[in-house]
Amino acid sequence: SAVISQKPSRDICQRGTSLTIQCQVDSQVTMMFWYRQQPGQSLTLIATANQGSEATYESGFVIDKFPISRPNLTFSTLTVSNMSPEDSSIYLCSLNSGGATDTQYFGPGTRLTVL
Amino acid sequence: DQQVKQNSPSLSVQEGRISILNCDYTNSMFDYFLWYKKYPAEGPTFLISISSIKDKNEDGRFTVFLNKSAKHLSLHIVPSQPGDSAVYFCAASAIMNTGFQKLVFGTGTRLLVSP
Repeated sequence: SAVISQKPSRDICQRGTSLTIQCQVDSQVTMMFWYRQQPGQSLTLIATANQGSEATYESGFVIDKFPISRPNLTFSTLTVSNMSPEDSSIYLCSLNSGGATDTQYFGPGTRLTVL
Repeated sequence: DQQVKQNSPSLSVQEGRISILNCDYTNSMFDYFLWYKKYPAEGPTFLISISSIKDKNEDGRFTVFLNKSAKHLSLHIVPSQPGDSAVYFCAASAIMNTGFQKLVFGTGTRLLVSP
C-alpha cells in the first residue's frame, strides 16, 4: 500500500486563526479523502478530493471553513479556517486502494487543539 | 443518524482467548464492510474486509462474519494477544448519489487484552 505522511503531526492554535494540513503520498492516486475524528467520536468524512476538480463536501462541511487543494496526484492540503475550540480534532487524509475493493488507507493524522 | 453502530465502547479479554467485536448497520445499500485498528497517535490501519456477497472472510487470527439479514457483522480475533489492544472501527461502504464511494464508520470499540 502507499505511504502517506501528514504535516504537522500536531498543533495547538489560537481561536480565530487558520491551519493548513498537508498530506503527501508516495505514489499517484486519483482520489483522496479528508476525515475528522472529534474526541470520543467516530471518523467523519469531510470531503473527497479529486485532482483537477473541486472537492466534494459532505453535509455539514463547507468550502469556506475547510478549503481543500489538490494540485497534483500525490499531494493535498486541508485548511481549517477561523478556528474555534469545537474544531479540536484529529484530521486524517486517506486514499482509495483502487481496483475492485473499496479499502481506504489512512495517514497518521494531525491532532489539532484550539484554545 | 448513526448508520453504523458499535454498541460496545470497550471489551476486555484475557490473552489467548477469543475477542468478538460487533457492529450493526442500518443502510441496506452498503455492499462492502471493513475493520480498522487504531493505536493512539496513529491513523487507522486496515485489518480485514468482506464483500456483501460473502458471509465469512478469514485472515490468520482474524475472521469477519457478515449476517446480511440481520445487518450485523462481527470480528473474531483468536487467539487474542496483548498487541491487539487498540480501538477497532467497523466501516461500511457504498456508492453515494455523487458517484463517489464513501466509508461510514462506527464509533469504535476499545479492546484491552490482558496477559
